[in-house]
Amino acid sequence: DQQVKQNSPSLSVQEGRISILNCDYTNSMFDYFLWYKKYPAEGPTFLISISSIKDKNEDGRFTVFLNKSAKHLSLHIVPSQPGDSAVYFCAASAEAQKLVFGQGTRLTINP
Amino acid sequence: GAVVSQHPSWVICKSGTSVKIECRSLDFQATTMFWYRQFPKQSLMLMATSNEGSKATYEQGVEKDKFLINHASLTLSTLTVTSAHPEDSSFYICSARVPGREGLGAFFGQGTRLTVV
Repeated sequence: DQQVKQNSPSLSVQEGRISILNCDYTNSMFDYFLWYKKYPAEGPTFLISISSIKDKNEDGRFTVFLNKSAKHLSLHIVPSQPGDSAVYFCAASAEAQKLVFGQGTRLTINP
Repeated sequence: GAVVSQHPSWVICKSGTSVKIECRSLDFQATTMFWYRQFPKQSLMLMATSNEGSKATYEQGVEKDKFLINHASLTLSTLTVTSAHPEDSSFYICSARVPGREGLGAFFGQGTRLTVV
């Protein structure tokens, strides 16, 4: 049972444009959502998070939106830069317990 | 941010031998650490939750006797892959969350690439 889903395995965006990565979840008990960036053969790096009591959180070029009624969250990166090319994982947890990860989306930023 | 250090970063071992992977929280105390496994082009799958001073909690389908977890102190958890076989070859990652500061997200080690030959 895949509780966290990232339905797009890959995404290609032109440098300077907006990158939008999507994530859906099924468990209504999730109250915390996170986005991680991962390069090959490295551990994930925390990017940004959002609590279920909010619908938007912004940090520099990164903004996460949460739509609880749709059980959907998205990560917006604007403007996209070549260094943003990586695999992005969304993750969710309930009551600060274990993280459940999506399958990841490989983002490629084209010059 | 908080630092989680994992060692070794890669290891090659012969089939039938055991391999130990260490995970340390360098600047905070972690009562709970998590061990993940990642297959190529797949998501991170939680294997077990390591609890300081008590037994680890394993996810369904993970063999307790094969993947031994010890959380002997507030800054160190170890994962031992016993009697390793080629199918155990994978990328293993540990993580920890700073107590009381879950808003920072979990911090991950660098990962360990295990290759069993």
